[in-house]
Amino acid sequence: LAKTTQPISMDSYEGQEVNITCSHNNIATNDYITWYQQFPSQGPRFIIQGYKTKVTNEVASLFIPADRKSSTLSLPRVSLSDTAVYYCLVGDRRKLTGGGNKLTFGTGTQLKKWNS
Amino acid sequence: DSGVTQTPKHLITATGQRVTLRCSPRSGDLSVYWYQQSLDQGLQFLIQYYNGEERAKGNILERFSAQQFPDLHSELNLSSLELGDSALYFCASSVVQAGELFFGEGSRLTVL
Repeated sequence: LAKTTQPISMDSYEGQEVNITCSHNNIATNDYITWYQQFPSQGPRFIIQGYKTKVTNEVASLFIPADRKSSTLSLPRVSLSDTAVYYCLVGDRRKLTGGGNKLTFGTGTQLKKWNS
Repeated sequence: DSGVTQTPKHLITATGQRVTLRCSPRSGDLSVYWYQQSLDQGLQFLIQYYNGEERAKGNILERFSAQQFPDLHSELNLSSLELGDSALYFCASSVVQAGELFFGEGSRLTVL
């Protein structure tokens, strides 16, 4: 499995766009990039998943450069409710359910909110 | 609500004891994952089952064991409990050919 590296924490201001970058230098050809959000004492929640270029949904955008060795989660106009830990995972989606995919979460990025 | 149900939500026990945590996956999900999260720690992968068979094993202690039953629910058994086993234990399930894990609300185990 490709190892991921994220900043331990990031500060943000309410209403500001926040970008969290994840490094995955040894990503494999069949690997997808998935981001999860976790609030204290709750299970992680799926945010977005992508393979290349850009993916956007109602919550976030995911930017993946051509070499796929990193990815950036973009949260538009963060609010207090976005204060959480964000995890980046890399793995072969084909193996997710049947092939013994040890989906390992890294330490994640704690998004901290500062009042403007 | 993710559709994944974990019981009990809270459990307090003593060192040396044995407990069983239960997980009911979302309807139709064949794969179940167990994770451990200690205070201020990341999620540690323990074990994965797919349709009743063990498919992947992470850093799971020998004192811990799990199984997935024919009705697809899963149980995580923790024995000879130590203080360091106090943690949140999460179960997640997923559908075939999908990339999204659905997590339960967790079982908080406190070992005194």
